[in-house]
Amino acid sequence: NAGVTQTPKFQVLKTGQSMTLQCAQDMNHEYMSWYRQDPGMGLRLIHYSVGAGITDQGEVPNGYNVSRSTTEDFPLRLLSAAPSQTSVYFCASSSPGRDTEAFFGQGTRLTVV
Amino acid sequence: KNQVEQSPQSLIILEGKNCTLQCNYTVSPFSNLRWYKQDTGRGPVSLTIMTFSENTKSNGRYTATLDADTKQSSLHITASQLSDSASYICVVKVKAAGNKLTFGGGTRVLVKP
Repeated sequence: NAGVTQTPKFQVLKTGQSMTLQCAQDMNHEYMSWYRQDPGMGLRLIHYSVGAGITDQGEVPNGYNVSRSTTEDFPLRLLSAAPSQTSVYFCASSSPGRDTEAFFGQGTRLTVV
Repeated sequence: KNQVEQSPQSLIILEGKNCTLQCNYTVSPFSNLRWYKQDTGRGPVSLTIMTFSENTKSNGRYTATLDADTKQSSLHITASQLSDSASYICVVKVKAAGNKLTFGGGTRVLVKP
């Protein structure tokens, strides 16, 4: 069982470059989310989706775009990378319901120079 | 504002010893609270879930408690092992659409032989 798969695992970008972080899940989960994790801080929600074709902004959405064309995939796009976007990014998926568990990918460590 | 505060930020314990991690939250309305373990370079993995009516729950050497009146939770690790070295994250779910989660900053535990 693959669970939640993120690619790439590591990435270095130059300021102003764009890129897409990939996230795929094989558990048929309706809910998918992107978080960023910075030292000393809790994970912060960037964007989330409650189903194919439906996305919404989280706590820190500026500089990021998402789309959800299928249940399985939820890519995160950085439009014009900035050093402030240096972070570890996690994708998570879950089913609807009060006590369902969020499953996380292994993360993408992004450095913007 | 919904917040989750964890203490201590980090601790070092000797193999075989016990330790207790604390989590205070101001999330409302409360749905449930999970403790996640995050190994270095990996995504968080759920250890246990606490719902409003539960006071204590164990998962092997991990025991979580919840006091919904004081909005406090703890995670007790018994007879620590080297593999317990990780970050432990307290996550509270808001009773709202989209499975929104609020993350604590985590406690980094280092178990030394």
